[in-house]
Amino acid sequence: QSALTQPASVSGSPGQSITISCTGTSSDVGGYNYVSWYQQHPGKAPKLMIYDVSNRPSGVSNRFSGSKSGNTASLTISGLQAEDEADYYCSSYTSSSTLEVFGGGTKLTVL
Amino acid sequence: EVQLVQSGAEVKKPGESLKISCKGSGYSFTSYWIGWVRQMPGKGLEWMGIIYPGDSDTRYSPSFQGQVTISADKSISTAYLQWSSLKASDTAMYYCARRSQLWLLGAFDIWGQGTMVTVSS
Repeated sequence: QSALTQPASVSGSPGQSITISCTGTSSDVGGYNYVSWYQQHPGKAPKLMIYDVSNRPSGVSNRFSGSKSGNTASLTISGLQAEDEADYYCSSYTSSSTLEVFGGGTKLTVL
Repeated sequence: EVQLVQSGAEVKKPGESLKISCKGSGYSFTSYWIGWVRQMPGKGLEWMGIIYPGDSDTRYSPSFQGQVTISADKSISTAYLQWSSLKASDTAMYYCARRSQLWLLGAFDIWGQGTMVTVSS
């Protein structure tokens, strides 16, 4: 069981917007602004999409945005494109001895 | 170009030892923490531990403490993940990744291509 809870799957049609949630506790997501989001295509290494809750690395499309409310962080993808179909993982610093935890991952299907 | 290049796929038997590598280039290797992440077949990402190559300060997830050893040789800009006695349950893809900023906490912005480790009798 992952420390951060994500929906197993989400789907959307091209052009639509979707949001993936990542729920933790006050010891991780809710207590710190060290939430990151990664995209992973099949057979590929993860790619950083969002860091520190809502910051986009250089080169990442502005269709990707992040936010946080309480113990839940969210990744929103607007203007869905076929190439967005992938697995998405959130991660957060945690004050437990684990130091950092990942969510279980969400499979995004573009219909 | 900033990159991490990992060693190739390994096939080992239970009980054997193994050390896989992750070589950094294009940046100051000693200034950024390097982490290791496990991905078992068909499963999600698991944070294993992290090392600061500048002084070899290392932190482990409790789930992996005592099961693996993380090390680094800053003279050749290479981090390592090693096992003294492999189990079938160690079969997984292992990624190294670099912290995006010059401190322990934060995101991983550069990832290696992954090293597939298969443990089977």
